[in-house]
Amino acid sequence: EVQLVESGGGLVQPGGSLRLSCTASGFTFSSYWMSWVRQAPGKGLEWVANIKQDGSGNYYVDSVKGRFTISRDNARNSLYLQMNSLRAEDTAVYYCARVPAAAAPGTFDIWGQGTMVTVSS
Amino acid sequence: EIVLTQSPATLSLSPGERATLSCRASQSVRNYLAWYQQKPGQSPRLLIYDASNRATGIPARFSGSGSGTDFTLTISSLEPEDFAVYYCQQRSNWPLTFGGGTRVEIK
Repeated sequence: EVQLVESGGGLVQPGGSLRLSCTASGFTFSSYWMSWVRQAPGKGLEWVANIKQDGSGNYYVDSVKGRFTISRDNARNSLYLQMNSLRAEDTAVYYCARVPAAAAPGTFDIWGQGTMVTVSS
Repeated sequence: EIVLTQSPATLSLSPGERATLSCRASQSVRNYLAWYQQKPGQSPRLLIYDASNRATGIPARFSGSGSGTDFTLTISSLEPEDFAVYYCQQRSNWPLTFGGGTRVEIK
């Protein structure tokens, strides 16, 4: 079964850091672009970051540039999002998503269940 | 940044009726537009990619059309499980962007 499982969310104070992880199974992880997409409580979807198959290219929405870093470990079938200098407006459910090769750089065909990040004092 | 505007914000329909959802882009996205369905407490699900291609396992009652700046998602006959929020999303330009969503609710 093709699956993405996120972890690492939680409550963090403004200015703090958090590292999200996403573990993939059921497909050849190293063959796909991967993404992070977030959804603030009661709001719509917002793309956050993308990474190429070999990690050579990273792309970010402007609001997280310089604060968030997307990375991957193909040997571990894992995707990461390092989030620094967190702000209240980063509070959201963070989804890991797969990008099919024919729809790069960004149509999302498989989604994880999401992990909640709450930034509050 | 390409802005995607979805209309209407809410669509109130009965099971069996036809649903027509609109997504308008602030500039051409060619045919690089996708549609997703999201139910409460669930992750989004890809329905349509590249404007008119159904994703794997998506019923034929879902269809997409359009190109350039104007796109439509049509649900030919609403089933009870189709009442949800629908989002469009473009992959033509960075940053990737989503529309604000259309809620399809039971009338």
